[in-house]
Amino acid sequence: QKEVEQNSGPLSVPEGAIASLNCTYSDRGSQSFFWYRQYSGKSPELIMSIYSNGDKEDGRFTAQLNKASQYVSLLIRDSQPSDSATYLCAVNRVGQNFVFGPGTRLSVLP
Amino acid sequence: GAVVSQHPSRVICKSGTSVKIECRSLDFQATTMFWYRQFPKKSLMLMATSNEGSKATYEQGVEKDKFLINHASLTLSTLTVTSAHPEDSSFYICSARGLHSGNTIYFGEGSWLTVV
Repeated sequence: QKEVEQNSGPLSVPEGAIASLNCTYSDRGSQSFFWYRQYSGKSPELIMSIYSNGDKEDGRFTAQLNKASQYVSLLIRDSQPSDSATYLCAVNRVGQNFVFGPGTRLSVLP
Repeated sequence: GAVVSQHPSRVICKSGTSVKIECRSLDFQATTMFWYRQFPKKSLMLMATSNEGSKATYEQGVEKDKFLINHASLTLSTLTVTSAHPEDSSFYICSARGLHSGNTIYFGEGSWLTVV
């Protein structure tokens, strides 16, 4: 059974702080890793993808991948109230279906 | 990123009737489309995967005769909820993947279905 696990939260951080979201996966053959953001009542939107070990930065977002530990994380710097949402981690092998985690609810407090 | 459009965004139908939801990839050819449903505050649940020109592959527990999926072209997939009941009320979301999008999937805006 391929699984992706996330802490459901809620994770509460004060405005301006760094939010750290974590995800672990069971399939060692996973090749692609994605973070999606989903606002309440809306569909998920892609934030970042990462394919290689290490860090990948895009604006205030940094994705970190460690395949040996089967771990992927998302850091949000200078968190804003507008970042409050559920963050979904997704994992797949190329050409195969995505496996989504249950999501972590982030609340950024003004 | 690539654009996936879903229509209608909200629909209300009477019990026993059928309702069709459309999912279109606007700027790429979607070789694969996925249909999900999501209950409030719950995770995405994959219902089925459809490849253009082929029959959809349904996840375990999803009734293929109730949730009819058609993926007749590289830009359009439809989900028809047949003989809808109140328990079918949910948020239905499509996503698409194609050659242009690489290995990334992009989601439509979602469709809220309410069966009364």
